[in-house]
Amino acid sequence: DSGVTQTPKHLITATGQRVTLRCSPRSGDLSVYWYQQSLDQGLQFLIQYYNGEERAKGNILERFSAQQFPDLHSELNLSSLELGDSALYFCASSEGTDYGYTFGSGTRLTVV
Amino acid sequence: AQSVTQLGSHVSVSEGALVLLRCNYSSSVPPYLFWYVQYPNQGLQLLLKYTSAATLVKGINGFEAEFKKSETSFHLTKPSAHMSDAAEYFCAVRSQGNLIFGKGTKLSVKP
Repeated sequence: DSGVTQTPKHLITATGQRVTLRCSPRSGDLSVYWYQQSLDQGLQFLIQYYNGEERAKGNILERFSAQQFPDLHSELNLSSLELGDSALYFCASSEGTDYGYTFGSGTRLTVV
Repeated sequence: AQSVTQLGSHVSVSEGALVLLRCNYSSSVPPYLFWYVQYPNQGLQLLLKYTSAATLVKGINGFEAEFKKSETSFHLTKPSAHMSDAAEYFCAVRSQGNLIFGKGTKLSVKP
């Protein structure tokens, strides 16, 4: 157990729908990062939050949004889902220094 | 922008043989470099990191990596492969506070 908790582990939904992925960071970590992993694109950085504020944006689609709450957990919202959004979505957390990230076990999203 | 390139999407070695996974970085400033491992159906686990201290970095599970500025490389090695090392390995560079990952190298270990 890495200490980073992601729910749900698996999600199957239809095109056009909206889903919410949840992440609880490791205790004491203020930064949360979201990544998308797919066979063709590899690991793509989506967005980072630090202590409730958006810190950096990567290759995140406009249909996707995220937030970090006062208790530091984070949610990634994916809307108007397309088949191509099927992927593994990882959350990672860090103390906010130059240490490596701690990753959760991911949410596997399948859009049908 | 900083980036990493992993040479070889698949590497196959025999059990007991040397493991060498290649990573080259592109960076205009001294980089922070990382190696992660991903076992099937799991998240990524940090193997080791280079943060401008010693150029030879030792990690978990017997892995180590050497930072070579002249070659802009950060190759991952292990003297003797075990079956349990079969996984996908990712090199990453810290860029503007975020980790940018390479495409990954899948390591197979033959008995």
